[in-house]
Amino acid sequence: ETGVTQTPRHLVMGMTNKKSLKCEQHLGHNAMYWYKQSAKKPLELMFVYNFKEQTENNSVPSRFSPECPNSSHLFLHLHTLQPEDSALYLCASSQDAATDTQYFGPGTRLTVL
Amino acid sequence: KQEVTQIPAALSVPEGENLVLNCSFTDSAIYNLQWFRQDHGKGLTSLLLIQSSQREQTSGRLNASLDKSSGRSTLYIAASQPGDSATYLCAVARGSTLGRLYFGRGTQLTVWP
Repeated sequence: ETGVTQTPRHLVMGMTNKKSLKCEQHLGHNAMYWYKQSAKKPLELMFVYNFKEQTENNSVPSRFSPECPNSSHLFLHLHTLQPEDSALYLCASSQDAATDTQYFGPGTRLTVL
Repeated sequence: KQEVTQIPAALSVPEGENLVLNCSFTDSAIYNLQWFRQDHGKGLTSLLLIQSSQREQTSGRLNASLDKSSGRSTLYIAASQPGDSATYLCAVARGSTLGRLYFGRGTQLTVWP
């Protein structure tokens, strides 16, 4: 049990749909992250939130919209995605963003039709 | 930009063998280096974290070394077991960019009985 949960675990959506991924951490951490893992690339950082403030946006397209209402919850809102966005989306947390050990959730397997 | 390379991409060995997984990185100005394990279709589990000032870390049958000047790290697995079968990922952190980890593509390890 990593203390980081993600829902849903699997998601299939059309290109015109709007959906959201949810991440929750029960570790009392202050930093949370979204990563994308696709078959053809190494794991890629998407967003970093430190104390609810976004500190990193790794040139992610605007069809991905993160939200961090508090230090325990992180959302990734999805709209008008493309088939190449199909991937495993991983959430992680750490005590803070100062390069501390990151703890990962199980991921959401997203398929865009 | 930091590039992380892992060799070999895949490894299949009989139970009981001692293994060495390799990781190299292009920019030696790192803050720390982490080794993760990822079971198929699941999230990542942190195995070992080596600070830039350290040379190695040990946890049970795992030993990770770091040679920052040459841009290399190795993960040594002693007396491998079928339960060690997973993908092993190396990630480096740069102190200048909070929370950003640069990942390699991983080594897929299969240990057969």
